[in-house]
Amino acid sequence: AQSVSQHNHHVILSEAASLELGCNYSYGGTVNLFWYVQYPGQHLQLLLKYFSGDPLVKGIKGFEAEFIKSKFSFNLRKPSVQWSDTAEYFCAVNARDTGRRALTFGSGTRLQVQP
Amino acid sequence: DADVTQTPRNRITKTGKRIMLECSQTKGHDRMYWYRQDPGLGLQLIYYSFDVKDINKGEISDGYSVSRQAQAKFSLSLESAIPNQTALYFCATTPPGRLAKNIQYFGAGTRLSVL
Repeated sequence: AQSVSQHNHHVILSEAASLELGCNYSYGGTVNLFWYVQYPGQHLQLLLKYFSGDPLVKGIKGFEAEFIKSKFSFNLRKPSVQWSDTAEYFCAVNARDTGRRALTFGSGTRLQVQP
Repeated sequence: DADVTQTPRNRITKTGKRIMLECSQTKGHDRMYWYRQDPGLGLQLIYYSFDVKDINKGEISDGYSVSRQAQAKFSLSLESAIPNQTALYFCATTPPGRLAKNIQYFGAGTRLSVL
């Protein structure tokens, strides 16, 4: 069965610091990959996605993620965080050829940006 | 984005009571999902449905049941609520077709407390 690991559970940064959140998945086949963000008190929103092609994908609000197939990773990055980026971030994967027709989510990383 | 509406937004109930959480959407999406979110565990899939006649168990379906009354409505029931079902519940939808590739649109969530 596929699984998703997010090793950073809680990250605290100062404004303007660079961000990288790790995401690793355990499936050897073809995958669709996602990052979702949940701002305090709100529902999950899609931040960015990877389906195929260029492994470096750009999302909203200056976020980007790089798919490294050999490492089964899809890490999220932002060069300079803002206080408004305080949120919980979830990595998710869908294995395209398993017949499983839903997403598997990681446990989430809580990002706290201090002004 | 899909308009995914969950009711109620908050509910406090007692052990043993039957509870129904409702989800409706107005965008004609055929795929609907129920997740629960617990701190440190991310989102876990309870049930999902690809159309009115297609209901599938997720990873943690025990203690829950669902009903897809119409394409636009997907209800989650706790037949006899227990305290460890205290969680934040999210409904999500996905548009039809392969191009949708499991991009999910989430409702605002229902916070359920079982005393």
